[in-house]
Amino acid sequence: DAKTTQPNSMESNEEEPVHLPCNHSTISGTDYIHWYRQLPSQGPEYVIHGLTSNVNNRMASLAIAEDRKSSTLILHRATLRDAAVYYCILRGRLNAGGTSYGKLTFGQGTILTVHP
Amino acid sequence: NAGVTQTPKFQVLKTGQSMTLQCAQDMNHEYMSWYRQDPGMGLRLIHYSVGAGITDQGEVPNGYNVSRSTTEDFPLRLLSAAPSQTSVYFCATFDRGGYTFGSGTRLTVV
Repeated sequence: DAKTTQPNSMESNEEEPVHLPCNHSTISGTDYIHWYRQLPSQGPEYVIHGLTSNVNNRMASLAIAEDRKSSTLILHRATLRDAAVYYCILRGRLNAGGTSYGKLTFGQGTILTVHP
Repeated sequence: NAGVTQTPKFQVLKTGQSMTLQCAQDMNHEYMSWYRQDPGMGLRLIHYSVGAGITDQGEVPNGYNVSRSTTEDFPLRLLSAAPSQTSVYFCATFDRGGYTFGSGTRLTVV
């Protein structure tokens, strides 16, 4: 499975933008790039995902490099509630009965600290 | 709509005991999976299922059994608990690109 590399930790001030980088140099052409975050004592929460084009949703934006070997999760205005561990994950494809599903391989993630 | 429900939330077992961690979902998702998370680490896949009657092993399946008799339920069985199985266990479903995780079961084996 292709691996991802993220910084161990990052810090931000409240209401400032945050750019969380992720390297995935061995990504395959069919791998989706997923981002999840995990708050203390909770299960991971879906943030955003993409394949080739940049993506936006109400939580964040995902910028994907043209060669797809890296990506950046952008939180436009960090809040204290955004303090969490952020995981950049590649979703591979596995087939069963003609239907494609994915399995997630988690790395260590980036611990984001947001200062008031 | 409860999403993914895991029970119990906490459990303490003695070495050698067996137990079943329950996972139920009400979203009609075909794909379900079990992960374990050890302190300071990411999640590792134990077993997964792509539909009722179909299961397969993940990255760390030893010591665990699963079955999938219905779409809604995907229980994880510990056959003979060992201290190395002390961990937080998460159940997750998958649909349309996104995974939904339960809130976890914190298991301690003494």
